[in-house]
Amino acid sequence: NAGVTQTPKFQVLKTGQSMTLQCAQDMNHNSMYWYRQDPGMGLRLIYYSASEGTTDKGEVPNGYNVSRLNKREFSLRLESAAPSQTSVYFCASSAIYNSPLHFGNGTRLTVT
Amino acid sequence: ELKVEQNPLFLSMQEGKNYTIYCNYSTTSDRLYWYRQDPGKSLESLFVLLSNGAVKQEGRLMASLDTKARLSTLHITAAVHDLSATYFCAVDKAGGGADGLTFGKGTHLIIQP
Repeated sequence: NAGVTQTPKFQVLKTGQSMTLQCAQDMNHNSMYWYRQDPGMGLRLIYYSASEGTTDKGEVPNGYNVSRLNKREFSLRLESAAPSQTSVYFCASSAIYNSPLHFGNGTRLTVT
Repeated sequence: ELKVEQNPLFLSMQEGKNYTIYCNYSTTSDRLYWYRQDPGKSLESLFVLLSNGAVKQEGRLMASLDTKARLSTLHITAAVHDLSATYFCAVDKAGGGADGLTFGKGTHLIIQP
């Protein structure tokens, strides 16, 4: 049982380049999330998808877009990367209200 | 806006000692979660606290929730080196929905022999 799978694990971009972070879960969860983690900042919610077909902004959505491709997959796109987007990105999913989030292993992104 | 504050943010302690990590939050909620993160790794769910007065224990860790005080504690009993990690509390906004959790900044715990 793979749980939540994120690709790639590491990525280096130059300012202005674009890329898509992929996330897939095999637990039949309804809700999926993208967080970023920065030193001393905890985790901050970028976007979420409460159910298939819906997406909403979180705390720090600027510079990002998302797609809930189907129930399993939720991708995060950086259209024009900036150094401020250097971070570790975590995808998470949850089954139902009141259940904990299950996290992927993260993508370490560096923008130079 | 929901704010979640943890303290301390950094804690160095000796094996065998007891200590408590505190998590305060700013708005009404009765759902609080504790996670553990090892360096360079993902987050692992430790406890789910879903009502006022809830207490959960796993080994040397015990978590509790006081929704009236908007406070949760994570108590460590007779610490061992393996418990060295960063611990996060996270709060779900009142009113339900699946709009994500708000995390504290984390408590970086080092347990020395």
